[in-house]
Amino acid sequence: QVQLVESGGGVVQPGRSLRLSCAASGFTFSNYGMQWVRQAPGTGLEWVAVISYDGSNKYSADSVKGRFTISRDNSKNTLFLQMNSLRAEDTAVYYCAKVPYSSALHAFDIWGQGTMVTVS
Amino acid sequence: QTVVTQEPSLSVSPGGTVTLTCGLSSDSVSTTFYPSWYQQTPGQTPRTLIYNTNTRSSGVPDRFSGSILGNKAALTITGAQADDESDYYCVLYMGSGISVFGGGTKLTVL
Repeated sequence: QVQLVESGGGVVQPGRSLRLSCAASGFTFSNYGMQWVRQAPGTGLEWVAVISYDGSNKYSADSVKGRFTISRDNSKNTLFLQMNSLRAEDTAVYYCAKVPYSSALHAFDIWGQGTMVTVS
Repeated sequence: QTVVTQEPSLSVSPGGTVTLTCGLSSDSVSTTFYPSWYQQTPGQTPRTLIYNTNTRSSGVPDRFSGSILGNKAALTITGAQADDESDYYCVLYMGSGISVFGGGTKLTVL
């Protein structure tokens, strides 16, 4: 069964850091790009960052560039999002998602259940 | 700044057909943007419906279909059911790793 499970969310003060994790199972993690998407309370979905299957390519939205870093550990089937200099506007549910195609960087087919981050 | 446009709200009668669209503020949408579509009911995790313009995700019924209509991407729902009442989001891939979500369409089935 293909599954993504996020963890690491919580309440954090502005300016502090937090690291989210996403544990993958049920598929060959090292073959697929992975993404982070967030959703602030009462608003729509926002793309945050993507990492290629081997970690060699990483891209992020302008709203988090320079503050958030996406990474992965293929030996542990885990995706990460290091969030620094957090702001109130980063408050959101953070979802990790799998890219459908090997070697691609677009779209999402499997989603985690999300982890809530509150900056206050 | 790239803006992906969607209808804020639409309604459809049970059993009817509705088309949601996904456009760009300053360009035409084509398959090269790899449009994808997601369904989300309040408080729930998004569900993938369509990616790569018209590829249905696993388990998605064939009454959901994706296409390019004119200069926009489109999601058509045929034989609408009550549980299709949800928010629908499109995503366009801008290249260089960058994806952009539309603002979402709230679909009402009544």
